[in-house]
Amino acid sequence: DQQVKQNSPSLSVQEGRISILNCDYTNSMFDYFLWYKKYPAEGPTFLISISSIKDKNEDGRFTVFLNKSAKHLSLHIVPSQPGDSAVYFCAALFTGSARQLTFGSGTQLTVLP
Amino acid sequence: NAGVTQTPKFQVLKTGQSMTLQCAQDMNHEYMSWYRQDPGMGLRLIHYSVGAGITDQGEVPNGYNVSRSTTEDFPLRLLSAAPSQTSVYFCASTQSGGDTQYFGPGTRLTVL
Repeated sequence: DQQVKQNSPSLSVQEGRISILNCDYTNSMFDYFLWYKKYPAEGPTFLISISSIKDKNEDGRFTVFLNKSAKHLSLHIVPSQPGDSAVYFCAALFTGSARQLTFGSGTQLTVLP
Repeated sequence: NAGVTQTPKFQVLKTGQSMTLQCAQDMNHEYMSWYRQDPGMGLRLIHYSVGAGITDQGEVPNGYNVSRSTTEDFPLRLLSAAPSQTSVYFCASTQSGGDTQYFGPGTRLTVL
């Protein structure tokens, strides 16, 4: 049973437009959420995170929104750039545990020039 | 700082062979983890360690062994390789009290 789900395997957007990547979770114990970006043949790199006590966190072009009641989070990238083309993984953890991340299956974002 | 390093980058094994995937970090992080990435399944936790001498199982530990004799190193051993262990393996580390995991570049393993 997947506790973190990314239901869209792929997403294509035009350069300059907004990219919205979605993630749902089922375990209400999760209290910290992260987004990782992964290029081919490289390890995932941390992008942005949000604690469950917040509903929004911004870092430049990247904003993560958290809706705890719906157990849903989303990553907004504005404006999208061709260099943003990568696989994006949503991950969640319970900070009372030994920092074990539970990952979603990833969304391949393609930004078209 | 080199960050998290993994060797080898690629490896081909025959069924039944054993090998060790190496992972090292130079950030003095206490937490280290091993994940495998399979198509359509994201990253799944194999084993993790909260400090030297302490290890525990993750979601998919069967067929793998770990030890943590130093803070820097966290090797992953495949005891008797099986085709189901064909995957990309990532090592990660986190500082004590931190929540962001830093990943190595990965090892692509093929078991024939």
